[in-house]
Amino acid sequence: KAGVTQTPRYLIKTRGQQVTLSCSPISGHRSVSWYQQTPGQGLQFLFEYFSETQRNKGNFPGRFSGRQFSNSRSEMNVSTLELGDSALYLCASGQGGLATNEKLFFGSGTQLSVL
Amino acid sequence: GNSVTQMEGPVTLSEEAFLTINCTYTATGYPSLFWYVQYPGEGLQLLLKATKADDKGSNKGFEATYRKETTSFHLEKGSVQVSDSAVYFCALSRLDGATNKLIFGTGTLLAVQP
Repeated sequence: KAGVTQTPRYLIKTRGQQVTLSCSPISGHRSVSWYQQTPGQGLQFLFEYFSETQRNKGNFPGRFSGRQFSNSRSEMNVSTLELGDSALYLCASGQGGLATNEKLFFGSGTQLSVL
Repeated sequence: GNSVTQMEGPVTLSEEAFLTINCTYTATGYPSLFWYVQYPGEGLQLLLKATKADDKGSNKGFEATYRKETTSFHLEKGSVQVSDSAVYFCALSRLDGATNKLIFGTGTLLAVQP
């Protein structure tokens, strides 16, 4: 069974640009969550998509958005990039059930550098 | 609110030494608890989990016991190897509406020397 695939692996952008990151979850999984990892703030929840609908959103500005397609693949978009957006963006795949013991499987992440 | 506190690193050990990484949590209700590991340049891998009080999660020689009375989930390994060098994250899982959301500690860097 293929794992969670995130593309691209690395990305370099300049301030003011916008960027799109992609995540393909494990086959059969319907939930995709996004997390931002920075040295200062650690791992923070961005949002979660389930069956093409955003179910939850973390405390991030509206410049951060996402969507999910009918095949469960998800994209996140960051507009008007700021230096502070430099981070490792991790995608987590899950079945989306209502149980706290559900395992989430993470991709290798997209390392975004904003210059 | 819900939070996870981990011991600060780095933790530097010699090969075959005993490892303990402390983790305590604050949560409402009955969260599940996890340890994730992140190797250099990679994403997070689930190491082990426990879903209720007194449960012991174990994997690859690592163990952690869900202690509700002390709100702790300390990670232990009897004999570490150089290949265990990585960052270890303690996390709790809570339902926020319909979302199973992970709340992470700050991570503990483990460096094992030969």
